[in-house]
Amino acid sequence: GIQVEQSPPDLILQEGANSTLRCNFSDSVNNLQWFHQNPWGQLINLFYIPSGTKQNGRLSATTVATERYSLLYISSSQTTDSGVYFCAVPLMEYGNKLVFGAGTILRVKS
Amino acid sequence: GAGVSQSPSNKVTEKGKDVELRCDPISGHTALYWYRQRLGQGLEFLIYFQGNSAPDKSGLPSDRFSAERTGESVSTLTIQRTQQEDSAVYLCASRLPRHRGRSVEQFFGPGTRLTVL
Repeated sequence: GIQVEQSPPDLILQEGANSTLRCNFSDSVNNLQWFHQNPWGQLINLFYIPSGTKQNGRLSATTVATERYSLLYISSSQTTDSGVYFCAVPLMEYGNKLVFGAGTILRVKS
Repeated sequence: GAGVSQSPSNKVTEKGKDVELRCDPISGHTALYWYRQRLGQGLEFLIYFQGNSAPDKSGLPSDRFSAERTGESVSTLTIQRTQQEDSAVYLCASRLPRHRGRSVEQFFGPGTRLTVL
């Protein structure tokens, strides 16, 4: 089945710094989701991004489907950005069930 | 509108007991999924419901796990004879039905944290 790999596994930032998180996938996909899991465990939808670039405030994401990767950019990081960031790809032939990467743990220090 | 809701938020049980977890999807979302997240890990798929079609149970880890859904509303996930390795957060997600050009974005509930002593 499809493999989803995220890097880096851990990241520590000073408040105000920028970062890039990467998601690689082993097969063609029709779309991709980025989530932020906050310290209380809630999964928050960040982007639904099959291809191209989207921006939402300090966050933006780019998916290059032909090269099988997606990037999540966090600019001017804040302590509230801390948590785990997951990317996930749906399997269309299996009801779009999501295959998740292992996540990137982000800690933003003040 | 209301998001996906789950209950209880926390459940502590003794090994060998049965537990039932509940999920209320977003209104109009015909597709419903259950996932499990063990401590420090990503999410793994358990089961998928789409309308009145037969569910995809391919992710259920053992026959102690079962789930039901009545029509396009509430779903319950039941774990019989719980074991310590069942301790995890159980998350439910829902989405709109597939249609040409429509997003299949999934939205998650807050999860139920299950602890088996």
